Amino acid sequence: GQNIDQPTEMTATEGAIVQINCTYQTSGFNGLFWYQQHAGEAPTFLSYNVLDGLEEKGRFSSFLSRSKGYSYLLLKELQMKDSASYLCAVRYNTNAGKSTFGDGTTLTVKP
Amino acid sequence: GAGVSQSPSNKVTEKGKDVELRCDPISGHTALYWYRQSLGQGLEFLIYFQGNSAPDKSGLPSDRFSAERTGGSVSTLTIQRTQQEDSAVYLCASSLAAQGLANYGYTFGSGTRLTVV
Repeated sequence: GQNIDQPTEMTATEGAIVQINCTYQTSGFNGLFWYQQHAGEAPTFLSYNVLDGLEEKGRFSSFLSRSKGYSYLLLKELQMKDSASYLCAVRYNTNAGKSTFGDGTTLTVKP
Repeated sequence: GAGVSQSPSNKVTEKGKDVELRCDPISGHTALYWYRQSLGQGLEFLIYFQGNSAPDKSGLPSDRFSAERTGGSVSTLTIQRTQQEDSAVYLCASSLAAQGLANYGYTFGSGTRLTVV
């Protein structure tokens, strides 16, 4: 299979920094996505990595190491509205099209 | 349209009935995907379309599930003889394309919450 593993739950404090990790099977890897999903809503796209390194976008950054099959999403200056589920998704094979999703990490931001 | 539109937003049906779920993707998006999400679970891939053809139907759980896409636009997911285990949120997403290395992140619709009683 193409197991994508992420922690089930995380808790952090408003204003702090949190890192959400994702590991995946490397064979056939062709891109990794992070999505944010608030309770009762559809996921929304956050970031995309296909080459090694860090992609920064405002308070959110995403890192990829293809050789290690590892990514993380870094959220800085946490706000209460960042409480949500964060989904790691991997696209395998150039022509496959679909992404395979992890089960998501539920982040709770506390005052 | 401006976003991905799904209908109905909620559907309650009796066990054994057939249901049709509709997805209207973003105009110009050639790739369309169906996923389902059970309560507290991740997204389970069902099927994806490139244009009107479906290169990957591997996620359809049984032959009670089928989907089609016409005119490279609207897609319909049909579930025949619904069962209680079919209860879930069915999410449709579209992207500019499906092939290659580019960033073809999904835009999701709001989903159809299906409850089979």
